[in-house]
Amino acid sequence: QSAPTQPASVSGSPGQSITISCTGISSDVGAYNYVSWYQQHPGKAPKLMIYDVSNRPSGVSNRFSGSKSGNTASLTISGLQAEDEADYYCSSYRSSTNVWVFGGGTNLTVL
Amino acid sequence: EVQLVESGGGLVQPGGSLRLSCTASGLTFRSYWMHWVRQTPGKGLVWVSRINNDGSSTTYADSVKGRFTISRDNAKNTLYLQMNSVRDEDTAVYYCARVIRVVGGFDDWGQGTLVTVAS
Repeated sequence: QSAPTQPASVSGSPGQSITISCTGISSDVGAYNYVSWYQQHPGKAPKLMIYDVSNRPSGVSNRFSGSKSGNTASLTISGLQAEDEADYYCSSYRSSTNVWVFGGGTNLTVL
Repeated sequence: EVQLVESGGGLVQPGGSLRLSCTASGLTFRSYWMHWVRQTPGKGLVWVSRINNDGSSTTYADSVKGRFTISRDNAKNTLYLQMNSVRDEDTAVYYCARVIRVVGGFDDWGQGTLVTVAS
């Protein structure tokens, strides 16, 4: 079973909103509300931005929001800022095999 | 503040062994499940293994099952990854990560340690 699918790249202008999708299967993204999202700047460790589909950890800007419909989860970033330029990864628990999976990652460019 | 510091990475020959460590501070280490996640340079994140809070339960990705062993010493606040029979494709930065919710997101990450498998 392959990893959840994300677009390789997305872009947007400052102030705009963008959405990154994460399409999995019924035993991972579609199974429970255990989807999380990570931001990774070059040379840095990943940072948790969203957990359990739509919850933000303390300290994460409310410009970041998450949702899910069926086997597809989405991360939306509103009011794009230059500092949002990074790679973004989704992750989910896969219940059928008791493992965790990451999407392939999406590179966000702020134009 | 939670801090996770990985160590033990380096150059290892194919077929060789290496043990990674992740030392935790700023948290009650024995209360949390821990994971290892790796990232091949320039590529995406890949989950490797997890261990429950008392070390009695472990899970592995198919790619490392039978070769890698995750363990922990709660008295030393340290997580380990014993890597045996390493292959070229094990070359990656290895991160340890702490989870607050057992099947939720990876809340805190270390800075990573680079493992290079080459002859």
